[in-house]
Amino acid sequence: QLQLQESGPGLVKPSETLSLTCTVSGGSIISSSYYWAWIRQSPGRGLEWVGSTYYSGYTYYSPSLNSRVTISVDTSKNQFSLNLHSVTAADTAVYYCAREGYYRYFQHWGLGTLVTVSS
Amino acid sequence: DIVMTQSPDSLAVSLGERATINCKSSQSLLKSSNNKNYLAWYQQKPGQPPKLLIYWASARESGVPDRFSGSGSGTDFTLTISSLQAEDVAVYHCQQYYSGSLFGGGTNVEIK
Repeated sequence: QLQLQESGPGLVKPSETLSLTCTVSGGSIISSSYYWAWIRQSPGRGLEWVGSTYYSGYTYYSPSLNSRVTISVDTSKNQFSLNLHSVTAADTAVYYCAREGYYRYFQHWGLGTLVTVSS
Repeated sequence: DIVMTQSPDSLAVSLGERATINCKSSQSLLKSSNNKNYLAWYQQKPGQPPKLLIYWASARESGVPDRFSGSGSGTDFTLTISSLQAEDVAVYHCQQYYSGSLFGGGTNVEIK
């Protein structure tokens, strides 16, 4: 059974970089059928897609976050990671990792991790 | 940019009654090349991540009860719960994946 687990600091200071890792178990991240995504949710902004990666390292990002986001994949560890640079309080949210189907709907989600941006 | 608008924001329905949630897109989500509507629905219970219910506007994900159904085409879509059960209390989100990925604002469904 596929499982995704987010990990990383729950508190990040303004202007610093938010870094999260998603560990995939019960299946390989190396698949021609799926992408791997980060999605966030905050009370004021609802669900917001952040970006996605393919096992090859191909990435695509939300246009609104493109200048601050980097997503990478480590196939040897069956993990993919999110770096969001120059964060502000507006980046405070629950961050989910998810498996994204070829046509871009999200089939499996991690439980999510709350990241708060505060000094 | 595509804008997704869900209505109502909140809905209270008696057990066993029908619940109807609407999702409207500012642009057509119907792709002529494959005649498919790029619209999905998710259910999110308190403290849990969203769960995929419906994709291609009307295709039910494996394991989803048949009281959940999706309909609509182009710019107007509906999620219907034919007979509301207690376990259906949740927030429901629509998502367009026609151009990028964008979610609606969510509809909170509760028991009347």
